[in-house]
Amino acid sequence: ETGVTQSPTHLIKTRGQQVTLRCSSQSGHNTVSWYQQALGQGPQFIFQYYREEENGRGNFPPRFSGLQFPNYSSELNVNALELDDSALYLCASSLGRNTEAFFGQGTRLTVV
Amino acid sequence: GENVEQHPSTLSVQEGDSAVIKCTYSDSASNYFPWYKQELGKGPQLIIDIRSNVGEKKDQRIAVTLNKTAKHFSLHITETQPEDSAVYFCAASKGANNLFFGTGTRLTVIP
Repeated sequence: ETGVTQSPTHLIKTRGQQVTLRCSSQSGHNTVSWYQQALGQGPQFIFQYYREEENGRGNFPPRFSGLQFPNYSSELNVNALELDDSALYLCASSLGRNTEAFFGQGTRLTVV
Repeated sequence: GENVEQHPSTLSVQEGDSAVIKCTYSDSASNYFPWYKQELGKGPQLIIDIRSNVGEKKDQRIAVTLNKTAKHFSLHITETQPEDSAVYFCAASKGANNLFFGTGTRLTVIP
């Protein structure tokens, strides 16, 4: 177990809706990264938060947004859900911006 | 941007045999190369990593080698056991930020 917890574990949403996914980082870790993993693919980087500031973003549209709180937990928000947003969303925490990343178990999002 | 290719996509070995998974990367500035194991319904688990100032790293039955000139790195698992069965991902990045993952290798260890 990595100590990184995500909630909820599964979620079903309708196209056009908005969703918020949550992540609690491992104790002592100040950096959180979010990844999207489509079925049968490797994870793709969405963005990273370091000490409450966005610290890098992958090739995802602005309707994917995030937040990091003073206790370093984090949220991923997705607006105007599309069918292609169906995926496993993974949160990873690390001790700093350039140290090993430890993943949570993920949130399986299904958009119908 | 970085492009990571991973081979093979599936690999079956007899218990006790060795397994080798290979990855290539495109960006010569990448300097951090982790390997993750993902079991069904779980998140990726970091099993070993290597930085570009090292050519080889070993941890019990697992080893990783890196050839910076050729831009490829490999995972070696010796004395495979059924519990090694999973999907393995390689990744590359500058620092450990923004990991670029390969497409995964499904390893099956046959008892």
